[in-house]
Amino acid sequence: DGGITQSPKYLFRKEGQNVTLSCEQNLNHDAMYWYRQDPGQGLRLIYYSQIVNDFQKGDIAEGYSVSREKKESFPLTVTSAQKNPTAFYLCASRPGLEKYNEQFFGPGTRLTVL
Amino acid sequence: DAKTTQPTSMDCAEGRAANLPCNHSTISGNEYVYWYRQIHSQGPQYIIHGLKNNETNEMASLIITEDRKSSTLILPHATLRDTAVYYCISRSRATNKLIFGTGTLLAVQP
Repeated sequence: DGGITQSPKYLFRKEGQNVTLSCEQNLNHDAMYWYRQDPGQGLRLIYYSQIVNDFQKGDIAEGYSVSREKKESFPLTVTSAQKNPTAFYLCASRPGLEKYNEQFFGPGTRLTVL
Repeated sequence: DAKTTQPTSMDCAEGRAANLPCNHSTISGNEYVYWYRQIHSQGPQYIIHGLKNNETNEMASLIITEDRKSSTLILPHATLRDTAVYYCISRSRATNKLIFGTGTLLAVQP
């Protein structure tokens, strides 16, 4: 089955610890995105990557870091510098600019920092 | 990038058409309007998008006003499984960034 996987679905961490959220896609999509969603709110863009080995900050990048070493993988690290890390994190991917531009979303990871 | 405005919530009877409005009065000529929906604690699901013309697919229809300042998503025969938060989103063709608002919670009633 083609799609986007995020693991785990629920993640708990102690305050002050870095944590890395996984996002993998087998859709051969060029672009990948990370969003954060807080209760009752829409999604806010953290980081995005248009091609391998390149990424840009979104609207709320502070306290987060990413890498894009492989086309199919775009892990997000939530660092201890992120003041309010507890949230629902969503990864998305999209074909390249020359193709149909719908973003496909993964199932999300709910991170709780204790 | 344009900001979108939607009602916080709406009700619809099962089997009837659900018409979800969206205002995007600051939208520019190269910005698409996208609609996604999100069932609780799941990833958003793409529904439809458009630039100027009305669009229809197997899920819904999108009606965009001639001045492009507003649009309406139409679910022709709403079912209980259509209960979700519906997001009207603008997308910059230059950056491809999606700008999410808080969406409309559509409650389909039996």
